[in-house]
Amino acid sequence: NAGVTQTPKFRVLKTGQSMTLLCAQDMNHEYMYWYRQDPGMGLRLIHYSVGEGTTAKGEVPDGYNVSRLKKQNFLLGLESAAPSQTSVYFCASLLGRFVGEQYFGPGTRLTVT
Amino acid sequence: AQTVTQSQPEMSVQEAETVTLSCTYDTSESDYYLFWYKQPPSRQMILVIRQEAYKQQNATENRFSVNFQKAAKSFSLKISDSQLGDAAMYFCAYRSASIVYMRFGAGTRLTVKP
Repeated sequence: NAGVTQTPKFRVLKTGQSMTLLCAQDMNHEYMYWYRQDPGMGLRLIHYSVGEGTTAKGEVPDGYNVSRLKKQNFLLGLESAAPSQTSVYFCASLLGRFVGEQYFGPGTRLTVT
Repeated sequence: AQTVTQSQPEMSVQEAETVTLSCTYDTSESDYYLFWYKQPPSRQMILVIRQEAYKQQNATENRFSVNFQKAAKSFSLKISDSQLGDAAMYFCAYRSASIVYMRFGAGTRLTVKP
């Protein structure tokens, strides 16, 4: 049982480049999330999904897109990276609404130069 | 909107001593969950303890316990017999039963002095 995995772990992009972060979970969880972590600001929700084929915006969705074509995968895309998107990105999953805590992936450190 | 406030950006404690990290939250919901997560230098988010709002008894996990004051909307974390391995960022988080995502505080960096 790998839990929640994220690919890649580190990435450096130039301004304007695009990339996709992949999150995978093998726990059959319904809900999946993408957060970004910036110094002094905790974790902020970018987008989330309540099931296969569904997505919704979080607190800071601008500049990001997501897709959940399969229940176990949740992709985060940056179409045109900006230096303001330099951050650590975390994926998380939750079994169900009344179950409790989210399980987190190891994070991806993204630097946009 | 629900907000979570951690008013202590940094705290330090002597090894083997006790330290308390503060957290307050704002909500109009009655059914919700509260969490403390630990983030060591490895960056992995590790659940330390959780509390269901409907439970009056404070949660305890070994050396970690909470003081949950529902009326005051306060949720502090007490670490007893602090160990060097407790040094980390600690995040307080809130999730209501009607909303499936968490809101996090800004974090408290805990240093443990030998």
